Amino acid sequence: GQQVMQIPQYQHVQEGEDFTTYCNSSTTLSNIQWYKQRPGGHPVFLIQLVKSGEVKKQKRLTFQFGEAKKNSSLHITATQTTDVGTYFCADLTGTASKLTFGTGTRLQVTL
Amino acid sequence: DSGVTQTPKHLITATGQRVTLRCSPRSGDLSVYWYQQSLDQGLQFLIQYYNGEERAKGNILERFSAQQFPDLHSELNLSSLELGDSALYFCASSVEGRLNSPLHFGNGTRLTVT
Repeated sequence: GQQVMQIPQYQHVQEGEDFTTYCNSSTTLSNIQWYKQRPGGHPVFLIQLVKSGEVKKQKRLTFQFGEAKKNSSLHITATQTTDVGTYFCADLTGTASKLTFGTGTRLQVTL
Repeated sequence: DSGVTQTPKHLITATGQRVTLRCSPRSGDLSVYWYQQSLDQGLQFLIQYYNGEERAKGNILERFSAQQFPDLHSELNLSSLELGDSALYFCASSVEGRLNSPLHFGNGTRLTVT
């Protein structure tokens, strides 16, 4: 079956450093959604990418969809302590209305 | 506040028991999803309902069942509980069952099986 892997599993950065998480799929992705889950919280929708090569920005966050639609990335510029949490990518499979979440990248930011 | 309500917040029960988790979706959302998140694990899709009907099934155990009622609230029933069923169970809702609707998650029910 489809697997959606994220790397790294965990990253610890100092505030002000950049951070990137990568989402890779064994199969072609339909759409990609990104979610953030704060410690002790629930996943919160960030953005959706649909088109091959698409790039979207939300303030310090940049989301990219690969040209072949088999990978995606989330880049955070100048991290802040409020960025702490686990970032999940999620693939909307084309054959069923279910959402396959990636393995997640846990980000820790310290001063 | 996502608008999705899950009850109870916490549940502690013994092995072999049966519990029911409840979810009320956001107003206007027809689709409900159930996910399981074990400690430091990802989100495992269990099942989806759309407007009262089962739409998709993930890795849901036979001991687990769910339904969506006419008022669109949903219940997840877990029976013959095992220690390994201890996890955070999330309900999420979306406007429709289409593939490009963002999911809105509730705060989850933390189940502890002792």
